[in-house]
Amino acid sequence: DAGVIQSPRHEVTEMGQEVTLRCKPISGHDYLFWYRQTMMRGLELLIYFNNNVPIDDSGMPEDRFSAKMPNASFSTLKIQPSEPRDSAVYFCASRYSATNEKLFFGSGTQLSVL
Amino acid sequence: SQQGEEDPQALSIQEGENATMNCSYKTSINNLQWYRQNSGRGLVHLILIRSNEREKHSGRLRVTLDTSKKSSSLLITASRAADTASYFCATEASQGGSEKLVFGKGTKLTVNP
Repeated sequence: DAGVIQSPRHEVTEMGQEVTLRCKPISGHDYLFWYRQTMMRGLELLIYFNNNVPIDDSGMPEDRFSAKMPNASFSTLKIQPSEPRDSAVYFCASRYSATNEKLFFGSGTQLSVL
Repeated sequence: SQQGEEDPQALSIQEGENATMNCSYKTSINNLQWYRQNSGRGLVHLILIRSNEREKHSGRLRVTLDTSKKSSSLLITASRAADTASYFCATEASQGGSEKLVFGKGTKLTVNP
């Protein structure tokens, strides 16, 4: 299995631009999580899905952030418009709830908003 | 707010020594997990301990859990330079049917050859 796949690996954009981050979970996993990592705040859970349905989006910082999961093999996290304080590493993770609770993480997207 | 808090924030040891990292949390949990993150990479699961377990081993890793003190420790024995990484504890709360993992800020471990 290829693991959780995230793209792009690095994204540099200017303030005000739209940013879309992509994630392909491990096949068969029914939970998908989006996390953001910064030095100041550590790893923050933004939103998670179960069977493609958003369950808890209380961690989404504001309306500029939105996430979708149109099918079991694809999810997007969109920031519009982007701001410099959104600069962080964004991780996607998935898990198969029927076996155990451990998460499998992607390699992350390093986002820099100038 | 963060559920788990690791201590110390940074730890530097010599190869062959043991490394101990601690984690404290605030609410009742179903399980506690430890993850490792190499620089510039995603997190990798190391070990999971359930709320009814007190100790667990996996290779050179030993995890303890004290639910009365709401704390856990991760011991890495006979450390190697390749163990250099950040280590995070993560908790899954037991109330409200929560399925989400909340992570601490991590302990940065440096093992000097």
